[in-house]
Amino acid sequence: AQSVTQPDIHITVSEGASLELRCNYSYGATPYLFWYVQSPGQGLQLLLKYFSGDTLVQGIKGFEAEFKRSQSSFNLRKPSVHWSDAAEYFCAVGAGDSWGKFQFGAGTQVVVTP
Amino acid sequence: GAGVSQSPRYKVAKRGQDVALRCDPISGHVSLFWYQQALGQGPEFLTYFQNEAQLDKSGLPSDRFFAERPEGSVSTLKIQRTQQEDSAVYLCASSPSQGMAFFGQGTRLTVV
Repeated sequence: AQSVTQPDIHITVSEGASLELRCNYSYGATPYLFWYVQSPGQGLQLLLKYFSGDTLVQGIKGFEAEFKRSQSSFNLRKPSVHWSDAAEYFCAVGAGDSWGKFQFGAGTQVVVTP
Repeated sequence: GAGVSQSPRYKVAKRGQDVALRCDPISGHVSLFWYQQALGQGPEFLTYFQNEAQLDKSGLPSDRFFAERPEGSVSTLKIQRTQQEDSAVYLCASSPSQGMAFFGQGTRLTVV
């Protein structure tokens, strides 16, 4: 059975510092991988996705993620965090033939301090 | 509207009451998805429509949960005889036939 693990429930980072959020997946085939962000009271916004090809994926808001098949990981990074990046971040695996069926991780809450 | 619209945004129901949650997808999007997000958890898939056909309802937790999309546009998620464990945010997403899904802001259901 496929699964998505986000080991860090909560991360605190200083504004301007770098950020890395971990995601590990278990999936039988080549996965479709996604990172979503959710601000309080908001829906999920897609940051980036990986389907195939270049393993370093660029997304919106200055985020990037790297797919490492050998480690079954898809970690999200940002070189310099802004206060507006405080939110909850979800890693997800595409779970079917459709474009909207996902299996999500439990999320990582990011707090940004001045 | 420009995005996926869900109503109501907040719903408080007494245990045992029936509720109906509405989702207006982006115009022209053929696929529609419902998710349940419990507090502190990631969203969990409930069901999926392609036009009016419900192609996957494997995530519906019990027969108290029912979803429909009769004309292939607006969808309603109905929960009968609500229980406290049904308290969650219910998210709706829609996507075109070949493209990424867009999520609504969700309906927060609290069962008291």
